[in-house]
Amino acid sequence: QVQLVESGGGLVKPGGSLRLSCAASGFTFSDYYMDWIRQAPGKGLEWVSYISSTGTTIRSADSVKGRFTISRDNAKNSLYLQMNSLRADDTAVYYCARRKVGSSSCDYWGQGTLVTVSS
Amino acid sequence: QSVLTQPPSVSGAPGQRVTISCTGSYSNIGAGYDVHWYQHLPGTAPKLLIYGNINRPSGVPDRFSGSKSGTSASLAITGLQTEDEADYYCQSYDSSLSGSVFGGGTKLTVL
Repeated sequence: QVQLVESGGGLVKPGGSLRLSCAASGFTFSDYYMDWIRQAPGKGLEWVSYISSTGTTIRSADSVKGRFTISRDNAKNSLYLQMNSLRADDTAVYYCARRKVGSSSCDYWGQGTLVTVSS
Repeated sequence: QSVLTQPPSVSGAPGQRVTISCTGSYSNIGAGYDVHWYQHLPGTAPKLLIYGNINRPSGVPDRFSGSKSGTSASLAITGLQTEDEADYYCQSYDSSLSGSVFGGGTKLTVL
């Protein structure tokens, strides 16, 4: 069965960095586009970034451009989000999600990992 | 403020029908981009309910249906059940932002 397991969240000071990972299993990872989506406390879902199956196409939300970088290692069935220059408003649960083939929808999501940016 | 506008809350009694609207603009829904719907229970992974405006993934009951017209879309839930109580989000693509956008979410309460 499809599984997505995020890791790497935690408490970090403003201006700091963190790298999130998402381990995928139960499907051919290299065939799928992948997304990072976040939810700040008490807020709605916010799309962060996506990466194509080969990693050649990347798009990111304006709120994270220049600070966050999505990447993937198809040999390791893993998705990553490198987060630099973190701010308090980056505090959120970060989900990795698989894009349904031929669609911009996400058909499988992980349970999320919490990132807290605070001094 | 979200690019896609949803009502903050809706409610209904068990067995009733409710609809949740998602209003966008000519750079997203009105441009012809697909609308998708998710159900989210706090502390769990969001679940895809409707993709491509009207399609249900396997396993999603036919009590859930989607529609789209102009710059808006709607999610309808018939035969409300207590387990439907959750947050619901619409999603589309926005050409001016060159990325996905979500609605602000709607909390469904089953009375």
